[in-house]
Parts: sequence; structure tokens; C-alpha cells
Amino acid sequence: ELKVEQNPLFLSMQEGKNYTIYCNYSTTSDRLYWYRQDPGKSLESLFVLLSNGAVKQEGRLMASLDTKARLSTLHITAAVHDLSATYFCAVDPPGANSKLTFGKGITLSVRP
Amino acid sequence: DAGVTQSPTHLIKTRGQHVTLRCSPISGHKSVSWYQQVLGQGPQFIFQYYEKEERGRGNFPDRFSARQFPNYSSELNVNALLLGDSALYLCASSLQVTNEQFFGPGTRLTVL
Repeated sequence: ELKVEQNPLFLSMQEGKNYTIYCNYSTTSDRLYWYRQDPGKSLESLFVLLSNGAVKQEGRLMASLDTKARLSTLHITAAVHDLSATYFCAVDPPGANSKLTFGKGITLSVRP
Repeated sequence: DAGVTQSPTHLIKTRGQHVTLRCSPISGHKSVSWYQQVLGQGPQFIFQYYEKEERGRGNFPDRFSARQFPNYSSELNVNALLLGDSALYLCASSLQVTNEQFFGPGTRLTVL
């Protein structure tokens, strides 16, 4: 059974500083997704990582995928308050296209 | 273009009742998936439909059922509601089975 683990589960960030959060998964998969969720809202797609070594950047966020280590990282540059939200990673189980398995999410809170 | 739409937005039911949730995919998308998100957890896969056929089912009891219509919209039905069914129910659509999924705003179901 595919397991997706995210850590830390909660991160208090100081404005202007850099941080990295992690997503580990237990079985082979070549596709990993990052989503953002604001309280009471739906999921907003941030990144789709489709191959080993994939790196994508959008604004202050950069995501990367290492399929050999079964690890994805989301790097935050110079945190700002607008980034406060819960971030989920999700993985397609092998042979089960688009039946995403999600981690528990990481809640980021940016303080002045 | 309109995104994924879901109705109703909120719903309150009592134990033992039945509920029907509805989802309209993005125009041109043929695949619809349903997820359940309990407070404080990541979404869990319930069903995937493509071209009106079930393509996947998650680890949910038979009280949960779904269908997809010729216009690719979908319904999720839950019978004999339990308190534990209280959650945000998310619908996601994609062009094909294997493509990136886009999530709707969700239906928040409260079972009393």
C-alpha cells in the first residue's frame, strides 16, 4: 500500500527567511503533485512533477523530485504572509493512474 | 472558462439519511474523481469515472456509490449516513484518466 509522508506537519516561518518542506512516498511513482489549500477552501494545483530530477519554480516556491529517493522537496524563498496555508503532496500509485494518494499536509504559518 | 463546479456547497443531514452530491467537470474533461477530506487530513480517493465507466474505487464501504452521465457530470451517493461521513467532498476532473486533476470547491457535509 502506497504511503505518503510529509514533514514537518506544522511550520512556523519568519518573514523573509528560507525554508524547505519534504514529501516522502513508499513505492515507485513517476508523478508527484503539490497542492495548496486555504482554510475552508478547495485544493489549488501548484506543481506537477513528472520525472526524476524535475524542478519547477513559481514565485517564491520551488519544487523538485527525486524518484530514486522517493522524495520531493518544496523550497520557500523569503517567506511572506500570503504563503500561509496547508500544502499537500500527492502521488499516483503505480498502475493506478490519477487515483491520488495524499499526505496529511503541512500547515505553514508566516509570522512578521 | 468555468472550472469544476459542485453542488450543494453545504449540506446538513442526520444519521441514517441518504445524500447525493453533484459535480460538473471542466468543459472537455471526460474523467471525474471523488475524494473525501476529513478535517485535519489529506483527501482520500473514493471513485474515478471515465466515459461513464468506473475506473477505480478506493477503500470505502458499499454505502458509497457514484455514476457519470453522458455529459460527463457525476453524482456521488452515500446511503445510511454515519457521523464519520462528515467531511469535505471534493470532485476533480481531468481530460483523460492519466492527466492532471483540477479540483472543484467541494461540498461540506455535516452529519448530525
